Amino acid sequence: KAGVTQTPRYLIKTRGQQVTLSCSPISGHRSVSWYQQTPGQGLQFLFEYFSETQRNKGNFPGRFSGRQFSNSRSEMNVSTLELGDSALYLCASSLATGSSYNEQFFGPGTRLTVL
Amino acid sequence: QKEVEQNSGPLSVPEGAIASLNCTYSDRGSQSFFWYRQYSGKSPELIMFIYSNGDKEDGRFTAQLNKASQYVSLLIRDSQPSDSATYLCAAYNQAGTALIFGKGTTLSVSS
Repeated sequence: KAGVTQTPRYLIKTRGQQVTLSCSPISGHRSVSWYQQTPGQGLQFLFEYFSETQRNKGNFPGRFSGRQFSNSRSEMNVSTLELGDSALYLCASSLATGSSYNEQFFGPGTRLTVL
Repeated sequence: QKEVEQNSGPLSVPEGAIASLNCTYSDRGSQSFFWYRQYSGKSPELIMFIYSNGDKEDGRFTAQLNKASQYVSLLIRDSQPSDSATYLCAAYNQAGTALIFGKGTTLSVSS
């Protein structure tokens, strides 16, 4: 079974631009979560989608948004990029949501560099 | 605010030794805990999870949970240089919609 895929793997943008990242979950998984990983803050939860609905959002500004499609694929968008948005953006998929027992499996990540 | 705490390390052990990685959590309502391994430049890989008090073994890995002490640990027996990585501990929020991660412990196994 194929794992979680993310595109693109690397991105270089300049301040003020916007960016869209894509995630395809493991086949049959309906929940997609997004995380930001930086050396200083570690892994931080951005948002989670299930059945095309955002179920939870982390403590990030409104410049960070996302959506999920009917095939469970998800995209996240960051508008008006800032230098501090440089990070590894990770997508994780799981079978379901709303349970403390759902195993989440991560994709390879998208490395975003903002210049 | 739910928190998961880990000692950042580095934890250095010789090849063949037992590596012990520890994690504490602040929310007594937390029910399950996940251990991920992350190699430098790679994404986190799920090793195992535990939700009952006591030990859970999987190969060379043993997870231990003590809910009374709000303490989770991961033991790696017969450590190998290939085990050198950052180990992340995580717990779900109460709604089961977000994993809260510790900042990770870096393990270095020397041959």
